[in-house]
Amino acid sequence: DQQVKQNSPSLSVQEGRISILNCDYTNSMFDYFLWYKKYPAEGPTFLISISSIKDKNEDGRFTVFLNKSAKHLSLHIVPSQPGDSAVYFCAATAGSNYKLTFGKGTLLTVNP
Amino acid sequence: DTGVSQNPRHKITKRGQNVTFRCDPISEHNRLYWYRQTLGQGPEFLTYFQNEAQLEKSRLLSDRFSAERPKGSFSTLEIQRTEQGDSAMYLCASSFSPNNQPQHFGDGTRLSIL
Repeated sequence: DQQVKQNSPSLSVQEGRISILNCDYTNSMFDYFLWYKKYPAEGPTFLISISSIKDKNEDGRFTVFLNKSAKHLSLHIVPSQPGDSAVYFCAATAGSNYKLTFGKGTLLTVNP
Repeated sequence: DTGVSQNPRHKITKRGQNVTFRCDPISEHNRLYWYRQTLGQGPEFLTYFQNEAQLEKSRLLSDRFSAERPKGSFSTLEIQRTEQGDSAMYLCASSFSPNNQPQHFGDGTRLSIL
């Protein structure tokens, strides 16, 4: 039972354009959401998070949007840079249930 | 902040052997987590410590797996009588309580079973 779903295995965008990565979840108890970036042979690196009491959180070029009614979140990267090319994982956790549930990831390729 | 450190980075062993991995978390973090990642999947939760207490184990963690965090600092994950299906990347993460603090991951130990 995949509680966190990233339905796009890959995404390709041009440098300077916007990258939009999507994530859907099924567990209504999830209340904290995170995005991680992963390069080959490295561990996941924390990017940005959002609590369920918010619908938007911004950090530099990265913005996460949360639509609780649709159980959907998205990560926007503007402008996209070649160094952003990596696998992006969406993750969620529920209250004091600290363990993260991850999606399968989306491979983002930013072309120069 | 030196980050989460995991050793070894890569372990190759024969089926049936025992292996042990080590994780050194970020020093001020009191929570430590182990995850396993297989090809094409996201990391899956295995177990969690708050200080030295192991508070939850996933059903993925069979009785061949044991984890310890003896003094609330570093942690070890041991797999006994390894099987082909144990081949995976084993990731350690740490965080600081309270809740809603991001977990920071190490670079993992890749286990290959021959």
